[in-house]
Amino acid sequence: QLQLHESGPGLVKPSETLSLTCTVSGGSISSSSYYWGWIRQPPGKGLEWIGHIYYSGRTYYKPSLKSRVTISVDTSKNQFSLKLRSVTAADTAVYYCARVSKYYYDTSGYLDYWGQGTLVTVSS
Amino acid sequence: EIVLTQSPGTLSLSPGERATLSCRASQSVSSSYLAWYQQKPGQAPRLLIYGASSRATGSPDRFSGSGSGTDFTLTITRLEPEDFAVYYCQQYGNSPDTFGQGTKLEI
Repeated sequence: QLQLHESGPGLVKPSETLSLTCTVSGGSISSSSYYWGWIRQPPGKGLEWIGHIYYSGRTYYKPSLKSRVTISVDTSKNQFSLKLRSVTAADTAVYYCARVSKYYYDTSGYLDYWGQGTLVTVSS
Repeated sequence: EIVLTQSPGTLSLSPGERATLSCRASQSVSSSYLAWYQQKPGQAPRLLIYGASSRATGSPDRFSGSGSGTDFTLTITRLEPEDFAVYYCQQYGNSPDTFGQGTKLEI
């Protein structure tokens, strides 16, 4: 059974960088059938797609976040990571990692496995 | 960016009843690449439907999806107590991926 688990600091100061890692178990991150993505949810609000990555390193980002976001992959550790720079209180959210199932050469897909989520609070 | 508008915002029904949730897109969703997710308090979302009408593995057959273009529907026949949750639609056919704001299904 595939499992994803987010890890990283729960508190980040304003203007600093939020860093999270997602560890994938029960399956290989190097599969050609999937991307690996990040989604966030501010407290009491809806879901926001941040971006996703292919095992080769090809990335897709939400345009409004693109200047601050980097998603990377480490196939040797079966992990992928999120960095969000220059954070503000508006970046406070539960951050989820997820597997993105795609068809052939599609640039995105549906989210069929999710981590349990981790709350990151931006505050001094 | 495609804006997804879900209606109603809140739907109040009873167990055993039928629920119909709507998701309307601001422009046509390519290849009917639309998914539905269920989220319960304190939990991650769970995939129910993908490709507008394909049921995800483990999704009960009382859940069904339909629609194309700009209008999509999630139908839950014979509501069970565990179905009361928030439901989100997501389009992944046009970059960037976007989610609807959610429909809360309450007793």
